[in-house]
Amino acid sequence: KQEVTQIPAALSVPEGENLVLNCSFTDSAIYNLQWFRQDPGKGLTSLLLIQSSQREQTSGRLNASLDKSSGRSTLYIAASQPGDSATYLCAVGGGQGGFQKLVFGTGTRLLVSP
Amino acid sequence: DAGITQSPRHKVTETGTPVTLRCHQTENHRYMYWYRQDPGHGLRLIHYSYGVKDTDKGEVSDGYSVSRSKTEDFLLTLESATSSQTSVYFCAISVSGGAVANEQFFGPGTRLTVL
Repeated sequence: KQEVTQIPAALSVPEGENLVLNCSFTDSAIYNLQWFRQDPGKGLTSLLLIQSSQREQTSGRLNASLDKSSGRSTLYIAASQPGDSATYLCAVGGGQGGFQKLVFGTGTRLLVSP
Repeated sequence: DAGITQSPRHKVTETGTPVTLRCHQTENHRYMYWYRQDPGHGLRLIHYSYGVKDTDKGEVSDGYSVSRSKTEDFLLTLESATSSQTSVYFCAISVSGGAVANEQFFGPGTRLTVL
């Protein structure tokens, strides 16, 4: 059974710092990995999707890497801002075609202070 | 938001009553999912659908049923609500092709409280 772990559970940093969020998974036979952002009381916003054949994806100040063999992914946030404060969720996908059963980690709660 | 809406957004009900949550999408996506989110557990898959009238169970399906009679609507029913089903419920779709193939997009959620 796939298990996804995110470390740390919470992180507090001053504005401007570069930071790394970690995600690990137990079964390397994944189809893809997706990073989400969730603001308090809100739904999930997709940030980045990495297919199993890819090593990384970038969007603006965000960079996500994937190492399937070691069961790890990292989300790098450059020059953090107070608006980045949210919970970040990692989810690994198993399936094929457009169908994906996601297994989620419990998230990292990030607070960026001005 | 991939055109996903959920209704109701908030609901308080009593133990033993039936409850139906609705997920509606406007873009004819084939695959739809229901998750629940609880503190300490993250999001867990309840049921999913791969087409009209085609559904299957996820990780935590006990006490829940689903129906999909039209592409755009995916209904989640709690036949007899229990306090352990107090949760936030999210609907999602996944895209079959194009630049965001396999990416899942989520609705805004329904907060359900069972007293």
